[in-house]
Amino acid sequence: DVKVTQSSRYLVKRTGEKVFLECVQDMDHENMFWYRQDPGLGLRLIYFSYDVKMKEKGDIPEGYSVSREKKERFSLILESASTNQTSMYLCATLAEWGQTKGTEAFFGQGTRLTVV
Amino acid sequence: GENVEQHPSTLSVQEGDSAVIKCTYSDSASNYFPWYKQELGKRPQLIIDIRSNVGEKKDQRIAVTLNKTAKHFSLHITETQPEDSAVYFCAASMNNYGQNFVFGPGTRLSVLP
Repeated sequence: DVKVTQSSRYLVKRTGEKVFLECVQDMDHENMFWYRQDPGLGLRLIYFSYDVKMKEKGDIPEGYSVSREKKERFSLILESASTNQTSMYLCATLAEWGQTKGTEAFFGQGTRLTVV
Repeated sequence: GENVEQHPSTLSVQEGDSAVIKCTYSDSASNYFPWYKQELGKRPQLIIDIRSNVGEKKDQRIAVTLNKTAKHFSLHITETQPEDSAVYFCAASMNNYGQNFVFGPGTRLSVLP
């Protein structure tokens, strides 16, 4: 079974704090993603990485940065947390089953971040 | 870039009835369309998917249909049960290396006993 683990289930941080959200996967997948999930907006892509030290901006990268120093670990960083970053954050990896079988995203359990 | 719309945003059905959720996409290059189910407090999980060379796919009580010309695809759940209550997300992808999914906003399905 693919395991994607996020370091915290719940976090409460103060405005202006630097926040680190960690994600670790155990399946040697190249592709890793960070999404935020808000009611009515679905899953919006913040950043993704397709290899160690590689990163690409998603749809809403402003206010965030990422780090991928090792293949199994993908970190999301909020440089200076703001209240509008209060959300559920989901990490995911992508398993590619080949041309005929498609791909599958495996999600972590989510981190509910509250910025006060 | 790709844009995925999903309707309805909420859906309530009686147990045993059918439920249909529809998604439209904008990029004709998209060729892979998965559906994810997220139960309350849990992570999204893949339930069914379809590729662009197929018009319909079934797996027990769930099915997905794809109309490439109209750029829409739908999830059909028959004989709904209370455990089908969840948020369902559709997604579109070009399924190439490094590409990511673009998710729809989600549909909250409630199956009433």
